[in-house]
Amino acid sequence: NAGVMQNPRHLVRRRGQEARLRCSPMKGHSHVYWYRQLPEEGLKFMVYLQKENIIDESGMPKERFSAEFPKEGPSILRIQQVVRGDSAAYFCASSPISAGTQYFGPGTRLTVL
Amino acid sequence: QQQVKQSPQSLIVQKGGISIINCAYENTAFDYFPWYQQFPGKGPALLIAIRPDVSEKKEGRFTISFNKSAKQFSLHIMDSQPGDSATYFCAASMNSGGYQKVTFGTGTKLQVIP
Repeated sequence: NAGVMQNPRHLVRRRGQEARLRCSPMKGHSHVYWYRQLPEEGLKFMVYLQKENIIDESGMPKERFSAEFPKEGPSILRIQQVVRGDSAAYFCASSPISAGTQYFGPGTRLTVL
Repeated sequence: QQQVKQSPQSLIVQKGGISIINCAYENTAFDYFPWYQQFPGKGPALLIAIRPDVSEKKEGRFTISFNKSAKQFSLHIMDSQPGDSATYFCAASMNSGGYQKVTFGTGTKLQVIP
């Protein structure tokens, strides 16, 4: 059973460009969580999604960031007009039920030049 | 109130020694306390977890001690090995609108030297 998959693993963008991060949850998991990890810091919750629904986006910046988890395909975290402060590792986790253990993917390391 | 404070930030332990990482929380609504292990370039992986109705949980060389009244919990790694060198995150979670919302500590970078 493949684990949580994220791509790309590394992403370089120039200021003002868009970054699109993808997350494929573990097979049978319909709950997806996105976290951001700044250097030398812990993971900060961003958003929790179920298929086609955003359940909790209390950790998402109000502007430029959006997330979706369509009926078919991976969950996507989109960052528009990236700035240097967006440089971080973005982790996706999935769980089989809403109160279940979260399993993390390997992360996408975003660098904004 | 949502914070989880973790210490130390970094730790160097001799092979065979005991590694101890401490965490503290404020919100008594937290009801599940997992520890995650993260190797460089990898995502965090669940190591061991405890619920507040238990004071200690042991799995192999890893033990969580939990003090509910003090709102503190710690990870002990016995007989530490170089392969244990990683960053360890404590976390606390609580039911938030039907799902477990996880708050992470800031991490402890452990280095076990031969």
